[in-house]
Amino acid sequence: NAGVTQTPKFQVLKTGQSMTLQCAQDMNHEYMSWYRQDPGMGLRLIHYSVGAGITDQGEVPNGYNVSRSTTEDFPLRLLSAAPSQTSVYFCASSRLRGRGELFFGEGSRLTVL
Amino acid sequence: AQTVTQSQPEMSVQEAETVTLSCTYDTSESNYYLFWYKQPPSRQMILVIRQEAYKQQNATENRFSVNFQKAAKSFSLKISDSQLGDTAMYFCAFMTSGNTPLVFGKGTRLSVIA
Repeated sequence: NAGVTQTPKFQVLKTGQSMTLQCAQDMNHEYMSWYRQDPGMGLRLIHYSVGAGITDQGEVPNGYNVSRSTTEDFPLRLLSAAPSQTSVYFCASSRLRGRGELFFGEGSRLTVL
Repeated sequence: AQTVTQSQPEMSVQEAETVTLSCTYDTSESNYYLFWYKQPPSRQMILVIRQEAYKQQNATENRFSVNFQKAAKSFSLKISDSQLGDTAMYFCAFMTSGNTPLVFGKGTRLSVIA
């Protein structure tokens, strides 16, 4: 049972570099989202999507892009990494009309030097 | 905007004892869902318990139970017979019935001491 799969689990970038965090789910969930977790800040929503072709901004969207071309995939792109983007990133998915429970990936630790 | 407040950044409890983690929230909605998630050192986010606002009965899952006070907008988590494996970050979370995104509190770090 794969559930929500995030790659890579660890990544080190230099300031100004770009990268994509991949997220895939095999549960046919309509809803997918990206959170970042920082010490003392909890989990803050970056972007979310309620279906293929539909995305929306969360609480902290600046510096990040997303797209949702399929139900299964929801990649998060950092176009020009900054040290402030050093964080642990979580992808999560759920059914839109279900119990509301989010299923999380294992997280990706990103360090920007 | 909905907000979730966890006022206890850190707590500790002796093994086998009971501990209560606090959570308050702010919303003008009448129908919503509340959650407690656990994050052990492995980093994996695990759903502990879920409460639907229209249900008056407090949710229970084995050693975990909640005290849901809708009028006070309070949603505390009680862990009975604490075990070493309960050591983790605990996040309270909220979402409305309209499938809006889940909003998290800042978390409470719980340490269970042998």
